[in-house]
Amino acid sequence: GQQVMQIPQYQHVQEGEDFTTYCNSSTTLSNIQWYKQRPGGHPVFLIQLVKSGEVKKQKRLTFQFGEAKKNSSLHITATQTTDVGTYFCAGNSGNTPLVFGKGTRLSVIA
Amino acid sequence: DSGVTQTPKHLITATGQRVTLRCSPRSGDLSVYWYQQSLDQGLQFLIQYYNGEERAKGNILERFSAQQFPDLHSELNLSSLELGDSALYFCASSLKLWTRSLNEQFFGPGTRLTVL
Repeated sequence: GQQVMQIPQYQHVQEGEDFTTYCNSSTTLSNIQWYKQRPGGHPVFLIQLVKSGEVKKQKRLTFQFGEAKKNSSLHITATQTTDVGTYFCAGNSGNTPLVFGKGTRLSVIA
Repeated sequence: DSGVTQTPKHLITATGQRVTLRCSPRSGDLSVYWYQQSLDQGLQFLIQYYNGEERAKGNILERFSAQQFPDLHSELNLSSLELGDSALYFCASSLKLWTRSLNEQFFGPGTRLTVL
């Protein structure tokens, strides 16, 4: 079945440093979504990418969808303590449920 | 607040027991999803309902079952509980079944199940 792999599993950064998490799918995706889960919280939707090569920005966050629609990345510029949490990518292929990656847990050291 | 409610927030029970987790989706959402999140694990998709019908199954054990009622709320039943079933169980809802257009999932606060 479809698998979504996410790296790294953990990332510790100094406040102000950049952060990137990568997501790779074993199959071509129809779309990819990104979620953020704060410690002790529930996942919250960030964005959905649909088009090949699509790039979307939300303030300091930049999301990319690969040309082959099999990989994606989330880049955070100049991290802040409010960015702490686990970032999940999730994708599906056609009429299938979302498959979530295991997430990247981001720690920001002030 | 996502608009998705889950009860109870915490549940402590013993091995071999049976529990029921309840979820009310956001107003207007027809799809309900159940996920299991264990320590250091991602979100494991269990099952999805759309407008009362089961539409997709993931890694759901035979000891687990779910249903969606006419008022669209859903229940996840876990039976013959084992220590390894201890986890956070999330319910999520979305407006659509599945589509290329925006179909974000709204997650509830989760039910933390502890099996002793």
